[in-house]
Amino acid sequence: KAGVTQTPRYLIKTRGQQVTLSCSPISGHRSVSWYQQTPGQGLQFLFEYFSETQRNKGNFPGRFSGRQFSNSRSEMNVSTLELGDSALYLCASSFRPYWSEYNEQFFGPGTRLTVL
Amino acid sequence: QKEVEQNSGPLSVPEGAIASLNCTYSDRGSQSFFWYRQYSGKSPELIMFIYSNGDKEDGRFTAQLNKASQYVSLLIRDSQPSDSATYLCAVANTGNQFYFGTGTSLTVIP
Repeated sequence: KAGVTQTPRYLIKTRGQQVTLSCSPISGHRSVSWYQQTPGQGLQFLFEYFSETQRNKGNFPGRFSGRQFSNSRSEMNVSTLELGDSALYLCASSFRPYWSEYNEQFFGPGTRLTVL
Repeated sequence: QKEVEQNSGPLSVPEGAIASLNCTYSDRGSQSFFWYRQYSGKSPELIMFIYSNGDKEDGRFTAQLNKASQYVSLLIRDSQPSDSATYLCAVANTGNQFYFGTGTSLTVIP
């Protein structure tokens, strides 16, 4: 079974630009979560989607948004990029729905975003 | 106070020894607990999950959960150099939102 895939793997942007990242979950998984990982802050939760609806949202500004399609693929968008947005963006997929007590998440390889 | 706290390390153990990694969490209503291993430059890999108080063993790994003390640990027996990585503790609350610790760096010395 193929794992979680993310594209692109690397991105270089300049301040003020916007970026869209893509995530394809493991086949059959309907929940997709996004995380930002930086050396100083570690892994921080951005948002979670299940059945095309955002179910949970972390403490990030509105410049960070996402969506999920009917095939469970998800995209994350960051507008008006800032230098501090440079990070590894990870998505994770899960088989069980968000309301389930048991919810193992599996991570993709990540997208490394550098903002100049 | 952070939701999940881990000692950042680095933790060094000799090959063949037991490595003990610890994690505390602040939300008493947390339901699910996970340990991920992350090699440098790679994404986190799920190695253990535990939902009930007590111990859960999987090969050389044992996860221990004590909800009363809000404490979860990971023991790695017969540590190997390939176990050298950063270990992330993750906790899911009742709303199924995940919180990660900043990770403990483990080095197994041959």
